[in-house]
Amino acid sequence: KAGVTQTPRYLIKTRGQQVTLSCSPISGHRSVSWYQQTPGQGLQFLFEYFSETQRNKGNFPGRFSGRQFSNSRSEMNVSTLELGDSALYLCASSRGPQGYEQYFGPGTRLTVT
Amino acid sequence: DAKTTQPNSMESNEEEPVHLPCNHSTISGTDYIHWYRQLPSQGPEYVIHGLTSNVNNRMASLAIAEDRKSSTLILHRATLRDAAVYYCISNTGNQFYFGTGTSLTVIP
Repeated sequence: KAGVTQTPRYLIKTRGQQVTLSCSPISGHRSVSWYQQTPGQGLQFLFEYFSETQRNKGNFPGRFSGRQFSNSRSEMNVSTLELGDSALYLCASSRGPQGYEQYFGPGTRLTVT
Repeated sequence: DAKTTQPNSMESNEEEPVHLPCNHSTISGTDYIHWYRQLPSQGPEYVIHGLTSNVNNRMASLAIAEDRKSSTLILHRATLRDAAVYYCISNTGNQFYFGTGTSLTVIP
């Protein structure tokens, strides 16, 4: 069974731009969660989607948004990029809502210059 | 928010048992305790989770204190491939709160 895939793996953007990251969950998984990982703040929960509905949202500004499609694939968008948004963005999928075993993708490394 | 605290780093000799502690004094009665680990340049990987009683799987054992305010992840025989950052997580309100984790070094 294929694992969680994230595209692109690496991305360089300029301040003020926006970016869209994509996550394809494991087949049959309906929950997708997004996390931001930085050296200073560690792993922080962004949001979780289950059956196309956002179930939970972490403490991030409204510039961070996401959505989930009917095939469970998910995208997250960051608008008006800031230098502090440089991070590894991880996606995780699970069979059910958070609380089940999560399977993480390799992440997208975003660098904002 | 339920938070977890872990030592920043630990060392273990190869093929010896490792006990990784975690404090979660504010955990509520329905919060599960999860452990994940992150190898260098990879996403986190599920290790084990439990609620009240001790749990075992092929990777590790999880010992949960009777008052549930702490738990210990036990790797029975550390190998070099176990060198990673280990995260103890409380599952509160369906959100995962990752702590800073414990960086485990395995000495050959």
